[in-house]
Amino acid sequence: EPEVTQTPSHQVTQMGQEVILRCVPISNHLYFYWYRQILGQKVEFLVSFYNNEISEKSEIFDDQFSVERPDGSNFTLKIRSTKLEDSAMYFCASSQGGTDTQYFGPGTRLTVL
Amino acid sequence: GQQLNQSPQSMFIQEGEDVSMNCTSSSIFNTWLWYKQDPGEGPVLLIALYKAGELTSNGRLTAQFGITRKDSFLNISASIPSDVGIYFCAGISNFGNEKLTFGTGTRLTIIP
Repeated sequence: EPEVTQTPSHQVTQMGQEVILRCVPISNHLYFYWYRQILGQKVEFLVSFYNNEISEKSEIFDDQFSVERPDGSNFTLKIRSTKLEDSAMYFCASSQGGTDTQYFGPGTRLTVL
Repeated sequence: GQQLNQSPQSMFIQEGEDVSMNCTSSSIFNTWLWYKQDPGEGPVLLIALYKAGELTSNGRLTAQFGITRKDSFLNISASIPSDVGIYFCAGISNFGNEKLTFGTGTRLTIIP
């Protein structure tokens, strides 16, 4: 069964460093998302991406964040200058249509020291 | 912003018992989804509900989309050890607005 994959599974970085989290969505899906989950809390929406542009973003997704679909298969989240409070699990998701079921990847655990 | 409140926050049950949890909102959602999350993993879809009043089953799981579009419940019958985890409801509010709003989660623990 097709699935969303994410790399790396765990990323440790120093505060102020740039990180890029990578995702390979399900191949025939057209909508891509990033969510994050701070330890012990609920999953929070960051950004949705369709037709090579951001369709919606939350207030968490400030100027330090950016997303890109550099080729036909990858979808990346970049955090330009990480802060301690960026430590969280970051989940990529994809769906066929805008209101179709979203399938989640296994997540990348980001630890900012 | 929109919020989904889940109850209970946590449940401690014995194997074989039935489980019921629900999700409520002050605003309308047009799609309701139930996900399960195991420690250190991503949410896995259990059931998707697309119409008000819809009742859908997936094995031992049954979920309903409330008539008012502001609530949903999930039932698990005859619980087994692998049911342990955190259950999240999630909603999509408007067509063209694709983001999922997640509930606060219900942690299910099975007492041996």
